[in-house]
Amino acid sequence: QQQVKQSPQSLIVQKGGISIINCAYENTAFDYFPWYQQFPGKGPALLIAIRPDVSEKKEGRFTISFNKSAKQFSLHIMDSQPGDSATYFCAASMGGAQKLVFGQGTRLTINP
Amino acid sequence: ETGVTQSPTHLIKTRGQQVTLRCSSQSGHNTVSWYQQALGQGPQFIFQYYREEENGRGNFPPRFSGLQFPNYSSELNVNALELDDSALYLCASRRGHLQETQYFGPGTRLLVL
Repeated sequence: QQQVKQSPQSLIVQKGGISIINCAYENTAFDYFPWYQQFPGKGPALLIAIRPDVSEKKEGRFTISFNKSAKQFSLHIMDSQPGDSATYFCAASMGGAQKLVFGQGTRLTINP
Repeated sequence: ETGVTQSPTHLIKTRGQQVTLRCSSQSGHNTVSWYQQALGQGPQFIFQYYREEENGRGNFPPRFSGLQFPNYSSELNVNALELDDSALYLCASRRGHLQETQYFGPGTRLLVL
């Protein structure tokens, strides 16, 4: 019940296209859902986060869509660029004070 | 860059040895969490320290232990190293233990032979 399932494992998108990564969770006590971006040799960097009281949050080219009833959330990267090539992780936590539970990660490659 | 620093960047140990990894939290952050990231996997929570006390622990054995110092820096100690301990160890800090946003350091890559 603590798991967060992420798909796909890897994704190849053409430059300018839309990248979509999906996550699903079971624990309805989760109330904070961040996305992290990780480049090789670096730690994860927070991209964008959402709480379950909103269905969508947009920051620049990055959008989180959240479906509370389906217990799913997704990251959309618009106008994908080669510099977006990285591994993306969704995560969830509850109560603000607790650990982050991470998905397995998606390796995104943007072809020029 | 987040302002969270970790040392060393890389480390090679042999099975059965002990290792200490260090983390300096971002200025103003009093809460530090440690995560283990195996190759090709998402980070897994080891434990969290707030005001020098452990206040949350994941499914890791007691040979994983930690400390937090008055300046909020932290150490992760692993005893009796096993081959499966080979991973990237990440430290994350935040302004308070109730704050949601965590900032990660670059990690320490540990290889156990």
